[in-house]
Amino acid sequence: EADIYQTPRYLVIGTGKKITLECSQTMGHDKMYWYQQDPGMELHLIHYSYGVNSTEKGDLSSESTVSRIRTEHFPLTLESARPSHTSQYLCASSEYSGTGSYGYTFGSGTRLTVV
Amino acid sequence: AQSVSQHNHHVILSEAASLELGCNYSYGGTVNLFWYVQYPGQHLQLLLKYFSGDPLVKGIKGFEAEFIKSKFSFNLRKPSVQWSDTAEYFCAVNGGNMLTFGGGTRLMVKP
Repeated sequence: EADIYQTPRYLVIGTGKKITLECSQTMGHDKMYWYQQDPGMELHLIHYSYGVNSTEKGDLSSESTVSRIRTEHFPLTLESARPSHTSQYLCASSEYSGTGSYGYTFGSGTRLTVV
Repeated sequence: AQSVSQHNHHVILSEAASLELGCNYSYGGTVNLFWYVQYPGQHLQLLLKYFSGDPLVKGIKGFEAEFIKSKFSFNLRKPSVQWSDTAEYFCAVNGGNMLTFGGGTRLMVKP
């Protein structure tokens, strides 16, 4: 059973809508991540957080924003969705060791389609 | 910046064939190495990982990988694949507290 939960699993919305993708973990992990994955393509890091009130942009430029008000919660928001945002979004978490992170735990992903 | 290359994008094998998936990375410092698997319709799962010690690591479901530092490689192997191994496999490198994934290899095993 997964200890990191993403909702919704699938989402189809119209252009211009505001959406929030939810991600919660119950492991008390400090580090959390959002990855974007286009079909058949590699994962790209779009946001990460080292702890509460810490958020950073990843390697891939994204128009989304994130927040980390609680350790267990790391939602991703798109203020105005566009068809180019159609993709799969994966949330992950890991423990912070100071010398390197341990294996990540991934959520099931949210497959977003913007029409 | 670190990068990870998986040279085989698609692999098709018959059951009982041996498997080797290539993974090369570029990073100058100490790295932790991972292989993840994503079965159809499921989320990514950790297959195996290497942090230090014996460069030959064994993972779940009969998979193993060998870290060759001089070649910056971490190839995944399995002596005899099964139809249930059909999935996408991702190599990942963690250097400097950031995880970078390769492009993935889609494996299809024919019964």
